[in-house]
Amino acid sequence: EIVLTQSPGTLSLSPGDRATLSCRASQSVSSSYLAWYQQKPGQAPRLLIYGASRRATGIPDRFSGSGSGTDFTLTINRLEPEDFAVYYCQQYGSSPYTFGQGAKVDIK
Amino acid sequence: QVQLVQSGAEVKKPGASVKVSCKASGYTFTSYGIGWVRQAPGQGLEWMGWISAYNGNTNYVQKFHGRVTMTTDTSTSTAYMEVRSLRSDDTAMYYCTTVAYTTGCDYWGQGTLVTVSS
Repeated sequence: EIVLTQSPGTLSLSPGDRATLSCRASQSVSSSYLAWYQQKPGQAPRLLIYGASRRATGIPDRFSGSGSGTDFTLTINRLEPEDFAVYYCQQYGSSPYTFGQGAKVDIK
Repeated sequence: QVQLVQSGAEVKKPGASVKVSCKASGYTFTSYGIGWVRQAPGQGLEWMGWISAYNGNTNYVQKFHGRVTMTTDTSTSTAYMEVRSLRSDDTAMYYCTTVAYTTGCDYWGQGTLVTVSS
């Protein structure tokens, strides 16, 4: 089973700042099948990025993903008020699919 | 538009079973798999497994083997997940999600809260 470790656990930033979230895998993620999700309180997760760097439909271009192998990054440029949420990475390249423990971006 | 609509909240006693449904619309049901993810109160997301809506093949996380069954009914575009021998630590929000090999979990249901309490 691939274990995903996200860091930092919490990021305290202000609107307009840049957020950089890391996701490290215990072994290489097949075909860069790495996704990022956003979850707000009381809501289901929403797909932001798939294939490590491809934005899902309707996702603003201030969200970007990068990385390969075992190290992946989600960057959010110019944080908007609606971006303060919890973010999860997930690998779906090998079973069982696994999630990171989550990273919270909150308002400083 | 793609929609996954899940059944309502459930309260069960320890040792009982629960069956959650997930009705899909807005796409060809057999084009995606259906995955199930749970989230205990205040905790992160936990992958439980998935089922191919095309051929019914399943892939369960080892910890749920023998206690969880995922099925689909293509005539009604509905997926089901049954959890047996419920324990208090099964109390969680359960989500269904579409699963595609290249894009991951594109669409999500609204969640079904299952509470296990004596």
